[in-house]
Amino acid sequence: KQEVTQIPAALSVPEGENLVLNCSFTDSAIYNLQWFRQDPGKGLTSLLLIQSSQREQTSGRLNASLDKSSGRSTLYIAASQPGDSATYLCAPQDDKIIFGKGTRLHILP
Amino acid sequence: GAVVSQHPSRVICKSGTSVKIECRSLDFQATTMFWYRQFPKQSLMLMATSNEGSKATYEQGVEKDKFLINHASLTLSTLTVTSAHPEDSSFYICSARDIDSATDTQYFGPGTRLTVL
Repeated sequence: KQEVTQIPAALSVPEGENLVLNCSFTDSAIYNLQWFRQDPGKGLTSLLLIQSSQREQTSGRLNASLDKSSGRSTLYIAASQPGDSATYLCAPQDDKIIFGKGTRLHILP
Repeated sequence: GAVVSQHPSRVICKSGTSVKIECRSLDFQATTMFWYRQFPKQSLMLMATSNEGSKATYEQGVEKDKFLINHASLTLSTLTVTSAHPEDSSFYICSARDIDSATDTQYFGPGTRLTVL
């Protein structure tokens, strides 16, 4: 059974800092891995999708890497902004998507 | 991009009533849809996998007689919370797998917030 762990659980950093969110998963037999953003009370916004054959994906200030064999993914956010404050969810997908508990990110103005 | 809608977006009901939530894939066909539940400040939890034309597969601990799932077409799955109680108050999100997607991508609906009084 897939288990997903995200570290840290919460993070507060000043605006402008670069930061890394970590995700580990136990079953490496995945099709892909997504990083989502969730704002309080809202649905999910997909940020990046990495296929199992890929090592990383980039979108603007976001970069996600995937090391499938070791069961790890990281989300790198460059030059953080207050608008980046949200919960970030890591979600590897085999036949289902299993979510981690997320990292609650707070960017201080 | 592919769009998944949910209706209603928000519902308040009295204890003991049943509530139906619809999940639709608007511009693609989905043989498989998933239902998730999220309690406040907790992660999304998969409740069940809904396959078009067959019975849903429920995750351990999810009561199939309480959470009725119907996936009658390739674009619609419904979740009915029967005899709802306050502890069923939660945020329910569906996702749909695009059968034609080369990346086997799932697309998520905006969610339905259920409050049971």
